[in-house]
Amino acid sequence: QVQLKETGPGLVQPTQTLSITCTVSGFSLTSYYMQWVRQTPGKGLEWMGFIRSGGSTEYNSEFKSRLSISRDTSKNQVFLKMNSLKTEDTGVYYCARGGIAGFDYWGQGVMVTVSS
Amino acid sequence: DIQMTQSPASLSASLGETVTIECRASEDIYNGLAWYQQKPGKSPQLLIYNANSLHTGVPSRFSGSGSGTQYSLKINSLQSEDVASYFCQQYYDYPPYTFGAGTKLELK
Repeated sequence: QVQLKETGPGLVQPTQTLSITCTVSGFSLTSYYMQWVRQTPGKGLEWMGFIRSGGSTEYNSEFKSRLSISRDTSKNQVFLKMNSLKTEDTGVYYCARGGIAGFDYWGQGVMVTVSS
Repeated sequence: DIQMTQSPASLSASLGETVTIECRASEDIYNGLAWYQQKPGKSPQLLIYNANSLHTGVPSRFSGSGSGTQYSLKINSLQSEDVASYFCQQYYDYPPYTFGAGTKLELK
């Protein structure tokens, strides 16, 4: 069955870089868009960016040049990297599948706290 | 960017009641709308896509309707397991995808 699971640090210091891995099973990354969405107290659900089935990416301009999404299809993994973290980046980060008809499967999410 | 305005922000209803949640887009999104349910401590789960299509496994008491800029999610015969927050999302014009602020549904 389709499964997605995020892994990442629970605590990151301000100005540092956040790295999260989404490991998927039950489908191929070369057949679906993969999304990153976060949920913060300040902005609710916020789309961050995606990587297409072909490997190209699109990002929310809100994150400007801080965000990078990549993948390793041989490991069934998608990666999020975001630098220059601020306290307002504290929240739950999700990977999700899909894009042309909603996001049909989501990971459990990983809570990230940005604090010194 | 397309803005999504959801109402009400919170809602209290009794078991067996019918509940309706509204979502308004800042421009026509041509039925490019999804609804999600999120229970406390869990990730969002897709309920409805293309404004009125039920996602696999979703109970038939959930339905979606609307067109243009106005959309709604209806829950017939409210069950205790429906207590959750509900979000709309437009995917007609992306990037970016945009979400509503959510509706928190509680039991009366």
